[in-house]
Amino acid sequence: NAGVTQTPKFRVLKTGQSMTLLCAQDMNHEYMYWYRQDPGMGLRLIHYSVGEGTTAKGEVPDGYNVSRLKKQNFLLGLESAAPSQTSVYFCASSYPGTHSNQPQHFGDGTRLSIL
Amino acid sequence: GIQVEQSPPDLILQEGANSTLRCNFSDSVNNLQWFHQNPWGQLINLFYIPSGTKQNGRLSATTVATERYSLLYISSSQTTDSGVYFCAVSRGNYGGSQGNLIFGKGTKLSVKP
Repeated sequence: NAGVTQTPKFRVLKTGQSMTLLCAQDMNHEYMYWYRQDPGMGLRLIHYSVGEGTTAKGEVPDGYNVSRLKKQNFLLGLESAAPSQTSVYFCASSYPGTHSNQPQHFGDGTRLSIL
Repeated sequence: GIQVEQSPPDLILQEGANSTLRCNFSDSVNNLQWFHQNPWGQLINLFYIPSGTKQNGRLSATTVATERYSLLYISSSQTTDSGVYFCAVSRGNYGGSQGNLIFGKGTKLSVKP
């Protein structure tokens, strides 16, 4: 059981380049999330999805787009990368509804550097 | 939005020592979780504890919702306990904007052999 898998694990981009981060989960979770983690900070929510075909903005959505074409996949796109987007990106998934004994499951992260 | 403050920001312990990490939050919540981020960056959920006390081995957590704080206790610390401990809270169920987790900045714990 792989859980939540993020690809790639590392990437270096030049300013202005575009790329897509892929998150895949095999737990049949309805909800999926993209977070970013900056040095000395906790995680901040970028976008999330409550089901196939739906997305919603989180706390820091600017500069990112997302898509949830299949239930098991959640894509995070950077159309024109900026140095401020250098960060570690985490994907998570969960069941819907109440969260008692149903924690969010996290991937191992993607380290992204924008030069 | 809800503010989450964790203390202390950094903690250095000798192996075998006990420690208490604190999480204060600015509004009522119905979801509080503690996470451990290990030195390799992986996030592990430790407790779901919006109120009351739970224990799991050497770790235990207590949340006093009426006073808006939670404590994570680590007893007989080991080097494998090193990493960053995050507290995260929300006010609603997953799926709504109020259900999204808000993370504190974490407590970085270093356990020396």
